[in-house]
Amino acid sequence: GQNIDQPTEMTATEGAIVQINCTYQTSGFNGLFWYQQHAGEAPTFLSYNVLDGLEEKGRFSSFLSRSKGYSYLLLKELQMKDSASYLCAVRLALGVTGGGNKLTFGTGTQLKVEL
Amino acid sequence: EPEVTQTPSHQVTQMGQEVILRCVPISNHLYFYWYRQILGQKVEFLVSFYNNEISEKSEIFDDQFSVERPDGSNFTLKIRSTKLEDSAMYFCASRSYNEQFFGPGTRLTVL
Repeated sequence: GQNIDQPTEMTATEGAIVQINCTYQTSGFNGLFWYQQHAGEAPTFLSYNVLDGLEEKGRFSSFLSRSKGYSYLLLKELQMKDSASYLCAVRLALGVTGGGNKLTFGTGTQLKVEL
Repeated sequence: EPEVTQTPSHQVTQMGQEVILRCVPISNHLYFYWYRQILGQKVEFLVSFYNNEISEKSEIFDDQFSVERPDGSNFTLKIRSTKLEDSAMYFCASRSYNEQFFGPGTRLTVL
């Protein structure tokens, strides 16, 4: 099976930088995704990593280390509207039992941005 | 920007009744998914659909559930006889390459 771990909640200050970590144990890894979800709304795609390294997209960056089963999402210049749940999700490779491009989500990290 | 749409936004039903949740995926996408999220819990995969057939389903997706693409645009999830524990937010998603785009969800409340 797959196991995805991320902190339950974090608090940060407006204008600061925050790093949300995610660790996973899977077989046949084929990509890691980060989604943002505001309460009562749909998950919104933020980033995708399949190779090791850092992917930058404006205020958001995501890092992956496949050998360590580890990813983080980095949010810079935090704004109040960044208060949301951040979901780490893993995709398994085709041909692996349970694979086929479905996403397996972690429980999410609830980020609260304060003044 | 194209988006996934879902109707209704909220469905209230009595236990044992059938419900059909509707989704219109992004028009050039070929892969479709249903996920659900029970209040306060994580997003869970239900089923994936490609080329007019189910490509994968989870253990949640039992005989009470079915999916259909009745025409070129709609993608539906039917729950034949709803149970209290089916109360959740149901998200449709579609994909062309890597990113799965989620619809706004249908909140299903079973009384």
